[in-house]
Amino acid sequence: GENVEQHPSTLSVQEGDSAVIKCTYSDSASNYFPWYKQELGKRPQLIIDIRSNVGEKKDQRIAVTLNKTAKHFSLHITETQPEDSAVYFCAASIWVNTPLVFGKGTRLSVIA
Amino acid sequence: DSGVTQTPKHLITATGQRVTLRCSPRSGDLSVYWYQQSLDQGLQFLIQYYNGEERAKGNILERFSAQQFPDLHSELNLSSLELGDSALYFCASSGLLAGEYNEQFFGPGTRLTVL
Repeated sequence: GENVEQHPSTLSVQEGDSAVIKCTYSDSASNYFPWYKQELGKRPQLIIDIRSNVGEKKDQRIAVTLNKTAKHFSLHITETQPEDSAVYFCAASIWVNTPLVFGKGTRLSVIA
Repeated sequence: DSGVTQTPKHLITATGQRVTLRCSPRSGDLSVYWYQQSLDQGLQFLIQYYNGEERAKGNILERFSAQQFPDLHSELNLSSLELGDSALYFCASSGLLAGEYNEQFFGPGTRLTVL
């Protein structure tokens, strides 16, 4: 089955700097790659997703890139703010309406 | 608010007991997913239902079972509880929007503590 590896497990950046989180997956049949943000004690919330027919997607300060050949995808957050501090999870699945396999998460701390 | 509701919010019980977790999906969503979040295992998929029928099964123990009812709400039953079952249990739902499947929206979760 699918296996998703996520790095780093913790990341500290200064406010205004960029943050990059990387994930690799094992199943070439996966076509859907969402990123979720989870604040302490709260539900995971989708922040951006990418489907296999595109290589990059951007939404304001957040961007995701996908390399299907190498089976890896990355989350880029620019101009980080303290409210970006949270745990970020990458995930992979066959398609949007199929079960997600999550990475172990990255705890991002943005230092003011 | 994602539109997915879960009850109860917290549940404290003893080993060997049985509990039922309830989930109501977003209006119109036919798919319901259950995930378990623990410190050592992370977020793991348990089971998916689509319009009342089991669609996919993940790392769900035999002591656990689920069902989706005609009104689309779902229940996750956990029996013969062990200390290791203590975790956050999330329900998520997804459905069709303008002919395309939308992403999975997560509920607030049920925190289960087994003593």
